[in-house]
Amino acid sequence: SQQGEEDPQALSIQEGENATMNCSYKTSINNLQWYRQNSGRGLVHLILIRSNEREKHSGRLRVTLDTSKKSSSLLITASRAADTASYFCATVWNSGNTPLVFGKGTRLSVIA
Amino acid sequence: DARVTQTPRDKVTEMGQEVTMRCQPILGHNTVFWYRQTMMQGLELLAYFRNRAPLDDSGMPKDRFSAEMPDATLATLKIQPSEPRDSAVYFCASASGQANTGELFFGEGSRLTVL
Repeated sequence: SQQGEEDPQALSIQEGENATMNCSYKTSINNLQWYRQNSGRGLVHLILIRSNEREKHSGRLRVTLDTSKKSSSLLITASRAADTASYFCATVWNSGNTPLVFGKGTRLSVIA
Repeated sequence: DARVTQTPRDKVTEMGQEVTMRCQPILGHNTVFWYRQTMMQGLELLAYFRNRAPLDDSGMPKDRFSAEMPDATLATLKIQPSEPRDSAVYFCASASGQANTGELFFGEGSRLTVL
C-alpha cells in the first residue's frame, strides 16, 4: 500500500500541552495534506504543504515536510479539549493524476 | 454555507438487500470521490469522478458495487447484494479542479450496518 502512516496511533495529553503527530510515506509526492475528523463526523481539511515547501503555519498548527526522509509532522500548540479528534495525513502521488491516499490516523485525546 | 450532503446518515439492512447511498457535492465542484472507512482498513478510495465521468473505480468490488453520477448534483453508490463485510462508514467528498491539487470537502458520511 502507498498510503501514509501516522505515528503514534493514539496520543493522550493534558490541555495546554503541545501535540506532535508524524506521517511517513513511500513514494514521491506532489503535496501532503492534514485532515481532522471529530467522532462521527466527516473529515475536515486543516492544511496543505507542497513538495517544495518545508514548513507551514496556520494558527496553532505547524506542519513540516522532509521529502528526503519522506515524512511530515503536525504540531498543535497549546492544545485544547476541542482538539480531541483523529488526525490524518493524505498524500498526493507525484506520478499521474491520482487522488488523495489517506493514512489510518492518529487519535488525539486532550484532557481538560 | 456550502457543504457536501449525504443520505442516509444511518442505514441498517439485512444481508442480500440493495443499498443506495446518495451524495450532493458542493455546487460547482467537478470532482467527486467515494471513500469507505473501517477500523481495520482506514479510509479506502472506492471510486472517483471528474465532470461526471468515472476516472477510477479500481477500489470497488465490481461484482456488487456500482457508482454513478446521473447529473452534476448527484452521485450514487449502490451495493447489491449487500454483505456483512460491507458494514462501514461511506464518505463522499468533492473538490474543484484537479484531483491532486487542492483540498477535499467531505460529507458527514453514511453509516451502513449489514446484518
